[in-house]
Amino acid sequence: NAGVTQTPKFQVLKTGQSMTLQCAQDMNHNSMYWYRQDPGMGLRLIYYSASEGTTDKGEVPNGYNVSRLNKREFSLRLESAAPSQTSVYFCASRDPAEVYVEAFFGQGTRLTVV
Amino acid sequence: QKEVEQNSGPLSVPEGAIASLNCTYSDRGSQSFFWYRQYSGKSPELIMSIYSNGDKEDGRFTAQLNKASQYVSLLIRDSQPSDSATYLCAVTFGSARQLTFGSGTQLTVLP
Repeated sequence: NAGVTQTPKFQVLKTGQSMTLQCAQDMNHNSMYWYRQDPGMGLRLIYYSASEGTTDKGEVPNGYNVSRLNKREFSLRLESAAPSQTSVYFCASRDPAEVYVEAFFGQGTRLTVV
Repeated sequence: QKEVEQNSGPLSVPEGAIASLNCTYSDRGSQSFFWYRQYSGKSPELIMSIYSNGDKEDGRFTAQLNKASQYVSLLIRDSQPSDSATYLCAVTFGSARQLTFGSGTQLTVLP
C-alpha cells in the first residue's frame, strides 16, 4: 500500500548542478502536483499535471521543469540548482474527477543547495 | 493568481481550550476545501474536508464553510498538546484541478 513515493529523501547539491526528483503513485490518480515548502511557509505549487500528457505552471515554476512520464510518474528537474531552491519538496496526487477527494502526499525530499 | 490566506500565527492556546483557525480564498468558483495538519518534518495529513455551506463535525474538529463570504474555518475543541502542529488550508481552483494551499498557521497547545 505505497500511495505516493518520492525519491530521494535527502539530497545535497552544489550550485549549478542538476538533478531530477522522482515521484510515483499507485492510486490511479489523474492529477499530480509538485510543491515546495520553505521554513514557516505553506506549500507553494511549482507545477501540476491535470492528466497524463499535460503539465501546467503553478505559482513558482521558474528554475524547474517537469515531465509526466505516464499516469503513475511525475518528475521534477532542476537544470542548474541555486541556493534559493533549498527547500522541502512534496509530490502529491489526487483524482479531480472526484471533486471531493483530498490529495495524498509523498514523504518529501529535503534538498540543500550549497 | 488564485489566493488562499490564513490568519497569521503562531497561535497558542491552553490545553482544553478551543483553537480557531481561519482561511479566506479568492475564487468564488472553488468547490472543495481541505484542512491538513502537518507535524514538523512530516508530510501533510488530511483532517477535514468540506464542500457545502455550514458546519461539518468530526470528533473534536469542526469545519465551517461560508461560500458567500469566501471563508472556511477549523475549530478544535478540547485542544490537546498532540494537536500542536501547523494547520494548512487548501482550496481547489480551476475545475478542481489546481490545489492551492495557504501559508499555514502554527498552533501550540500549552499543557
